[in-house]
Amino acid sequence: QVQLVESGGGVVQPGRSLRLSCAASGFTFSSYGMHWVRQAPGKGLEWVALISYDGSYKYYADSVKGRFTISRDNSKNTLYLQMNSLRAEDTAVYYCAKDQWLLDSWGQGTLVTVSS
Amino acid sequence: QSALTQPRSVSGSPGQSVTISCTGTSSDVSGYNYVSWYLQHPGKAPKLMISEVSKRPSGVPDRFSGSKSGNTASLTISGLQAEDEADYYCCSYAGSYTWVFGGGTKLTVL
Repeated sequence: QVQLVESGGGVVQPGRSLRLSCAASGFTFSSYGMHWVRQAPGKGLEWVALISYDGSYKYYADSVKGRFTISRDNSKNTLYLQMNSLRAEDTAVYYCAKDQWLLDSWGQGTLVTVSS
Repeated sequence: QSALTQPRSVSGSPGQSVTISCTGTSSDVSGYNYVSWYLQHPGKAPKLMISEVSKRPSGVPDRFSGSKSGNTASLTISGLQAEDEADYYCCSYAGSYTWVFGGGTKLTVL
């Protein structure tokens, strides 16, 4: 049974950094591309970033390019999102999702609040 | 990376059918067969209901179906049930390994 568990969210001041993690189990993590998707309070879903199964390719939404870095450690079955220079508009629940093409399983999300 | 266009809300009575549209462009919806639909109950994670325009993952009732014509994809739910009340989001591959979501549609079962 696929399980994705996000962690690392919290309250952070504008301009500061935060690293999110997504622990995966129940499938062969190293065989799948993985996404981060976010949802601002009361708003819709927004795609954030994709990493290939082996970490060699990384792609980002324009809204986070240059500030966020997606990475993975296949030996630990864990996906990461390093978020730098955070802005108020980055406030959202951040979800990790499995499978480059299908986004077929999602975690429960972790809330990031950017506020002074 | 402009969001796909969905109606803000739709409604139907139990047993009826409803269709939710998702309009994009030739750079996303009509350009690729990677359109998917997600159901999201309040406070919960999204759940995949339809992938690759019209494929139903295991466990999804056959009351849910997907299609695409030109720049518009559609999700049809037949035999509406109370538990279908939720927010629904479409998502499309937009080229260059980027994805775009719709703004979401709130389905109310009357």
